[in-house]
Amino acid sequence: DAKTTQPNSMESNEEEPVHLPCNHSTISGTDYIHWYRQLPSQGPEYVIHGLTSNVNNRMASLAIAEDRKSSTLILHRATLRDAAVYYCILLFGNEKLTFGTGTRLTIIP
Amino acid sequence: EPEVTQTPSHQVTQMGQEVILRCVPISNHLYFYWYRQILGQKVEFLVSFYNNEISEKSEIFDDQFSVERPDGSNFTLKIRSTKLEDSAMYFCASRRNRAATDTQYFGPGTRLTVL
Repeated sequence: DAKTTQPNSMESNEEEPVHLPCNHSTISGTDYIHWYRQLPSQGPEYVIHGLTSNVNNRMASLAIAEDRKSSTLILHRATLRDAAVYYCILLFGNEKLTFGTGTRLTIIP
Repeated sequence: EPEVTQTPSHQVTQMGQEVILRCVPISNHLYFYWYRQILGQKVEFLVSFYNNEISEKSEIFDDQFSVERPDGSNFTLKIRSTKLEDSAMYFCASRRNRAATDTQYFGPGTRLTVL
């Protein structure tokens, strides 16, 4: 499985944008970049995914570098409910999700 | 919105006892998974299941573990003889297709405590 690297933790003020980085320098051309998050005491939850182009959905935006070796998950206006561990995962047709340690996001009121 | 459900939310058992963890995946999904998370550690893949067969399993999923889809709605994980180190959160997930673009939907988990 291709490997991703994320900061262990980040903090952000409530109602401000958050940029969560992920490095995946060994990504292959067919790997999709998925982001999941795990709120406290809950199961993982899908956030967003992309291949090459930037993507937006109701939860977040995903900015993918032109060389695809890194990506950034953007929460446009963080709320206390966004405090979670965020996982960046590469996926190509493999069924299973391989979770790393992720980034623990703390939101400061 | 459809969701994956799991029962019980918390199971306490004695070492050596058998436990069955239950999951109801989303109704039109075809691929089913179990993951576990030991307290403070990463979420780890255990097994995937499709068309009434295991399609992939991890090294953790040894002979003490089994999975079954006994009817059209439930998906179960059985641990035959629990050990202390089986204490963890167990998450069930389901997915409609196997494409890399397809989302896995997770249940809220069952906390298993082995005494």
